[in-house]
Amino acid sequence: GAVVSQHPSWVICKSGTSVKIECRSLDFQATTMFWYRQFPKKSLMLMATSNEGSKATYEQGVEKDKFLINHASLTLSTLTVTSAHPEDSSFYICSARWGQGNTEAFFGQGTRLTVV
Amino acid sequence: RKEVEQDPGPFNVPEGATVAFNCTYSNSASQSFFWYRQDCRKEPKLLMSVYSSGNEDGRFTAQLNRASQYISLLIRDSKLSDSATYLCVVNSPASQLTFGSGTQLTVLP
Repeated sequence: GAVVSQHPSWVICKSGTSVKIECRSLDFQATTMFWYRQFPKKSLMLMATSNEGSKATYEQGVEKDKFLINHASLTLSTLTVTSAHPEDSSFYICSARWGQGNTEAFFGQGTRLTVV
Repeated sequence: RKEVEQDPGPFNVPEGATVAFNCTYSNSASQSFFWYRQDCRKEPKLLMSVYSSGNEDGRFTAQLNRASQYISLLIRDSKLSDSATYLCVVNSPASQLTFGSGTQLTVLP
């Protein structure tokens, strides 16, 4: 299957700092990228959907000023957690797909963020 | 009602057993359906797509019932390596993938 690379795989940061997570589609052009958050023993919760060159669409309850998403090219999307707090500690996963409709999504390896 | 609902689990079954998971979805206009597998602390990986006519891949069989708006996954001859969380995923008309809460399966020796 297609490869999506997410970096970093884990990060520990101090409360109040910002953290940037990168998501790259390595062997295909990602029309759409999705960002999810997963708390322990819970399902993936969609945070936002981004299409290349346009603003991300955020899910209800997700603060767009806190979780900045940039999708500047067809192979790269970034999620920046600004002014991180301990409650932002979670597993963040990106996924990417090409086209619309019935195509499957491919996932990055995930980033485990711990804010101390 | 949640958009995608799965069996709550967890399922603990002996090796060699057959186990089935069900998943219901609320949006009748949903276009495509998938089962993903997620191992602990790992990203989800596609297990199989679900086609209208039903499809089989080795020990795994997926079925779709559009009239009743549910999909199912059957695992035959369970292996220890099948232990994971199985996620039902529905592709909405807006091309968003919505995940079920997942069903945890533990296959016991």
